[in-house]
Amino acid sequence: GAGVSQSPRYKVAKRGQDVALRCDPISGHVSLFWYQQALGQGPEFLTYFQNEAQLDKSGLPSDRFFAERPEGSVSTLKIQRTQQEDSAVYLCASSLSGTSVKYQETQYFGPGTRLLVL
Amino acid sequence: DQQVKQNSPSLSVQEGRISILNCDYTNSMFDYFLWYKKYPAEGPTFLISISSIKDKNEDGRFTVFLNKSAKHLSLHIVPSQPGDSAVYFCAYAGGSNYKLTFGKGTLLTVNP
Repeated sequence: GAGVSQSPRYKVAKRGQDVALRCDPISGHVSLFWYQQALGQGPEFLTYFQNEAQLDKSGLPSDRFFAERPEGSVSTLKIQRTQQEDSAVYLCASSLSGTSVKYQETQYFGPGTRLLVL
Repeated sequence: DQQVKQNSPSLSVQEGRISILNCDYTNSMFDYFLWYKKYPAEGPTFLISISSIKDKNEDGRFTVFLNKSAKHLSLHIVPSQPGDSAVYFCAYAGGSNYKLTFGKGTLLTVNP
């Protein structure tokens, strides 16, 4: 079956440009997560949606980062006025319900969008 | 806050031998630890998990051991195969049970 897909796979942006990264979760998955993975680091949590509700955005590094999931399926992560420190791989993950690990559910990750800000 | 540390950036083993990947954590309170495997240009994929009430979980060639007194867990792969070559991340899930906290990862290379 189809997994989590993300687009674009690669994005080069000039400093100050706005970018939008898209995530298509697995059909029927209630929970959606965004992570940021800098070079040589593990993924770091950015934000979490349960259906269309953004329940946790504590990991967003600044107010330039904004995420939405208006219809409870596709999600978009938007970065305004990109800076060089925003260069990273942005990973999206989905899981079946909001109580993922407690019931041995896993988060299924997409391939990521590699963002390079020049 | 829970911190997860993978102190070995890389590990190289011979095909057929055992691979042991290590992870340390700081906070005694947790619900689950998970291991994810990542190939280049792909997202992490779930491998195996262990809950705080167990000290061992096994799935085929993969076994995770938990030593709560030492705040240490390890992933054993035996026998190792060249297709196991990837970056392995240890991740913690607790509290809210949805947010994963990852270590920096260990690059495993299995040589034929």
